[in-house]
Amino acid sequence: NAGVMQNPRHLVRRRGQEARLRCSPMKGHSHVYWYRQLPEEGLKFMVYLQKENIIDESGMPKERFSAEFPKEGPSILRIQQVVRGDSAAYFCASSPNLAVDTQYFGPGTRLTVL
Amino acid sequence: GQQVMQIPQYQHVQEGEDFTTYCNSSTTLSNIQWYKQRPGGHPVFLIQLVKSGEVKKQKRLTFQFGEAKKNSSLHITATQTTDVGTYFCAAVYNTNAGKSTFGDGTTLTVKP
Repeated sequence: NAGVMQNPRHLVRRRGQEARLRCSPMKGHSHVYWYRQLPEEGLKFMVYLQKENIIDESGMPKERFSAEFPKEGPSILRIQQVVRGDSAAYFCASSPNLAVDTQYFGPGTRLTVL
Repeated sequence: GQQVMQIPQYQHVQEGEDFTTYCNSSTTLSNIQWYKQRPGGHPVFLIQLVKSGEVKKQKRLTFQFGEAKKNSSLHITATQTTDVGTYFCAAVYNTNAGKSTFGDGTTLTVKP
């Protein structure tokens, strides 16, 4: 059983470029969550998605950030015109049920903005 | 918004000593989960507590959920070097909302 997969594991971007982070949930899971973790800090909720729907994006910055979870393919977290402050680890988690249940985390994408 | 406070932020112990981390919410929780993140790793689910006053054990780890369902604790007996990492609680206020709120974590270091 493959766990939650994220790629790339490490991503380096220059200021102003775009970053695309991908997350494939565990097989059978239709709920995906994205979190951001700054160095030495906790996990900050960003967005919760189900297939083709954004359920809760209350943690997403209003500009430059967007997320999707298409019917086919992985969930994508997109950051446009990255700035140094976007440097962080971005974790994706998935769960099988409507109600919040155990979240299975992927290995994360470490984004570095130069 | 709803927040969950987790204390302490850091804990340094000698191997063999006990360790406890606490999570506190100002409002009643539906349930609470605990996760462990090793240095450089990703959070891994440990346990979920649902019932008022619930106590669960996993070997040297004891998890408690307060009677009022506003606080929780994780206690490790006789710490080992393999216990190092950051322990997070994740509070669920509304199971239908699909969102959990993570505490800032307690980072445990164990001196051999």
